[in-house]
Amino acid sequence: EAAVTQSPRNKVAVTGGKVTLSCNQTNNHNNMYWYRQDTGHGLRLIHYSYGAGSTEKGDIPDGYKASRPSQENFSLILELATPSQTSVYFCASGDWVGGRDQDTQYFGPGTRLLVL
Amino acid sequence: AQSVTQPDARVTVSEGASLQLRCKYSYSATPYLFWYVQYPRQGLQLLLKYYSGDPVVQGVNGFEAEFSKSNSSFHLRKASVHWSDSAVYFCAVSMATGGNNKLTFGQGTVLSVIP
Repeated sequence: EAAVTQSPRNKVAVTGGKVTLSCNQTNNHNNMYWYRQDTGHGLRLIHYSYGAGSTEKGDIPDGYKASRPSQENFSLILELATPSQTSVYFCASGDWVGGRDQDTQYFGPGTRLLVL
Repeated sequence: AQSVTQPDARVTVSEGASLQLRCKYSYSATPYLFWYVQYPRQGLQLLLKYYSGDPVVQGVNGFEAEFSKSNSSFHLRKASVHWSDSAVYFCAVSMATGGNNKLTFGQGTVLSVIP
């Protein structure tokens, strides 16, 4: 069974502060993703990675940075947090090698972030 | 750009009734199609996926979905719902090219099953 964990599960931050959300996967997947979930928008892709050392911008990257120091870990960084970044953040991992079984993304439990 | 529309924000059905959750996509080619479910305070879990072939695909817990190229749709169905099916359901599409399967999600449909 695929395993993606996120920490912290809940976070309260102050406006202008730095926030780091962490994600760890034990699936040995090459690809990892960060999404945010907001009512009425579903999940939107912030950043993703093809493997250690790589980060790519998703659909809504402004105000966020990402870091992929290893195959297992993928972090989302808010250098200057704003109230508009209050949301639920999900990490996912997956692989695409042209095969059907490898196309599934496996999601972590989410991190609830409140920026005051 | 590809997009996904789930026209029903909320659906309420009685336990034992049949269910259909609608999903329409916009994409120039046939994408890979997914349905995910999110139970309260949890991450998303895959229900089923479609790539090609038989347009009706079976998923977990008695769910199935039917792909229609002519209607650009991928509706989710279940013959008889249980109260435990109450959750948020997301339709998603992927181009699955270039070694990356970025997903584009619909807005989600909140399903409430009345016992």
